[in-house]
Amino acid sequence: KAGVTQTPRYLIKTRGQQVTLSCSPISGHRSVSWYQQTPGQGLQFLFEYFSETQRNKGNFPGRFSGRQFSNSRSEMNVSTLELGDSALYLCASSLGTGGLGAKNIQYFGAGTRLSVL
Amino acid sequence: SQELEQSPQSLIVQEGKNLTINCTSSKTLYGLYWYKQKYGEGLIFLMMLQKGGEEKSHEKITAKLDEKKQQSSLHITASQPSHAGIYLCGADKNNDYKLSFGAGTTVTVRA
Repeated sequence: KAGVTQTPRYLIKTRGQQVTLSCSPISGHRSVSWYQQTPGQGLQFLFEYFSETQRNKGNFPGRFSGRQFSNSRSEMNVSTLELGDSALYLCASSLGTGGLGAKNIQYFGAGTRLSVL
Repeated sequence: SQELEQSPQSLIVQEGKNLTINCTSSKTLYGLYWYKQKYGEGLIFLMMLQKGGEEKSHEKITAKLDEKKQQSSLHITASQPSHAGIYLCGADKNNDYKLSFGAGTTVTVRA
């Protein structure tokens, strides 16, 4: 079974631009979560989608948005980029069907490294 | 700020020696997850603990969750160079699919 795939792996943008990152979950997984990782703040939760609906959201400004498609693939968008948005963005997928246990183990992709100049 | 406290922040161990990493929360956890990360790469799932007092082992790695479900430890026996990396604990505090992570522990294994 293929793992979580994130594209692109690396991106360089300038301030004010916008960017879209893509995530393909493990086959059969319906939940996709996004995280931002920086040296200063560590790993922080952005949002989680299940069956095209956002179920949970972290404390990030509205410039950060996401969506999920009917095939469970997900995209996140960051508009009006700032220098502080430079980070490793990680996507994780799980079955996400509720309750504890193996259904909620999140499996991560390799990440997209975004550099904002 | 980190909602989970991990200690130590980093450690250097001689190959063949044991090591322990701790992860502490001020709140009871629904689930506690351990991951390993190579610098700049994705997280690799190691183990999940749910029940108070639970202990799981895989190869040379053992993870435990205390009875109150507020503290976990990860123990590596007879460390090898392949154990080097950043170890992160993540927790589902509210059973809402949102994981909060510790700051990570960087492990260096010296030959």
